[in-house]
Amino acid sequence: DAGVIQSPRHEVTEMGQEVTLRCKPISGHNSLFWYRQTMMRGLELLIYFNNNVPIDDSGMPEDRFSAKMPNASFSTLKIQPSEPRDSAVYFCASSAPGEQYFGPGTRLTVL
Amino acid sequence: GENVEQHPSTLSVQEGDSAVIKCTYSDSASNYFPWYKQELGKRPQLIIDIRSNVGEKKDQRIAVTLNKTAKHFSLHITETQPEDSAVYFCAASRPASKLTFGTGTRLQVTL
Repeated sequence: DAGVIQSPRHEVTEMGQEVTLRCKPISGHNSLFWYRQTMMRGLELLIYFNNNVPIDDSGMPEDRFSAKMPNASFSTLKIQPSEPRDSAVYFCASSAPGEQYFGPGTRLTVL
Repeated sequence: GENVEQHPSTLSVQEGDSAVIKCTYSDSASNYFPWYKQELGKRPQLIIDIRSNVGEKKDQRIAVTLNKTAKHFSLHITETQPEDSAVYFCAASRPASKLTFGTGTRLQVTL
């Protein structure tokens, strides 16, 4: 199994632009998680899905952030418009009940 | 909701010594306790986990212990090596729910 796949691995954009991060979970996993990691705030859970349904989005910082999971093998996290304070590493993770595995992350830099 | 506290935030040990990281949790319904290792610039990787029906689990040089009554669990690394240097995160979750992470422990193994 290829593990959790994320794209792009690096993204550099200018303030105000739309950013879309993509994730393919491990086949057979029914839960998907989006995290953000920075030095200042550590590892934060943004949102998670069970069976493609959003369960808890209380970590989404504001309306500029949105996430979708149209099917069991794909999810997106969108930031529109992006701001410099959104610069971070964004991880996607997936799990069957129990063990959770992280993708390689997307390093986002907003100038 | 669940609250996980992790100590110490930094830990320096000499190569060959043991390292112990401790976590406490608040939700008595939590039954799954994984530990993740994150090397610089990499994703968090699951290194060992324990469920609430077990008091101790060992895998080569690493072991986890769980005290359900006191609601705390610990990671023990014996015979530390330079490649053990990383940030370690503990986490806790209820059945089929999200993980709540500790704030991390930066372990430095010196020669």
